[in-house]
Amino acid sequence: DAGVTQSPTHLIKTRGQQVTLRCSPKSGHDTVSWYQQALGQGPQFIFQYYEEEERQRGNFPDRFSGHQFPNYSSELNVNALLLGDSALYLCASSFQGRREKLFFGSGTQLSVL
Amino acid sequence: GNSVTQMEGPVTLSEEAFLTINCTYTATGYPSLFWYVQYPGEGLQLLLKATKADDKGSNKGFEATYRKETTSFHLEKGSVQVSDSAVYFCALSEGAGGTSYGKLTFGQGTILTVHP
Repeated sequence: DAGVTQSPTHLIKTRGQQVTLRCSPKSGHDTVSWYQQALGQGPQFIFQYYEEEERQRGNFPDRFSGHQFPNYSSELNVNALLLGDSALYLCASSFQGRREKLFFGSGTQLSVL
Repeated sequence: GNSVTQMEGPVTLSEEAFLTINCTYTATGYPSLFWYVQYPGEGLQLLLKATKADDKGSNKGFEATYRKETTSFHLEKGSVQVSDSAVYFCALSEGAGGTSYGKLTFGQGTILTVHP
């Protein structure tokens, strides 16, 4: 049983570019949450998707957007990249009935130059 | 808003030493409390949790007690091993009915290094 898988594992972009990160949830899970983890900090909640809709959002600008597909996989898009967007982006999945039991992927390390 | 504060790290211990990592929180209502662990190159893993006051979460020799009166959830282990070296995160989630139900708020993390 595969856990949460994220791609790519590493990514290098330049300021102003756009990036798309991908996440496949653990089998049987229908809810996907995205977190940003800056170096030396704890993860910060970006948003959560369930039934292909954004259900909750943290304090992130509109440059951060997402999508959930019918197979429950999800994408995180970041437009107009800033140097401060450099971070580890974590995807977590859960089953809606047990939202607190999150399973995390290993993350995508984004570097913005 | 909700917040979690962890003790400053890094923490360096010898094998078989006693471990305490302090965690305090600020939240409305009755949050659930968690400890997550992040091993090098891996994703976050749930270590233990407690969902109401005076509950004790435990796993792999680690334990933490939900103390509402002191708004704390300190992580302890009686005898650490080299394999416990990792980053430990304290986190909270509002309970059902809260506006942020299902969203985790994390502390900044504490790096633990255990030497043989």
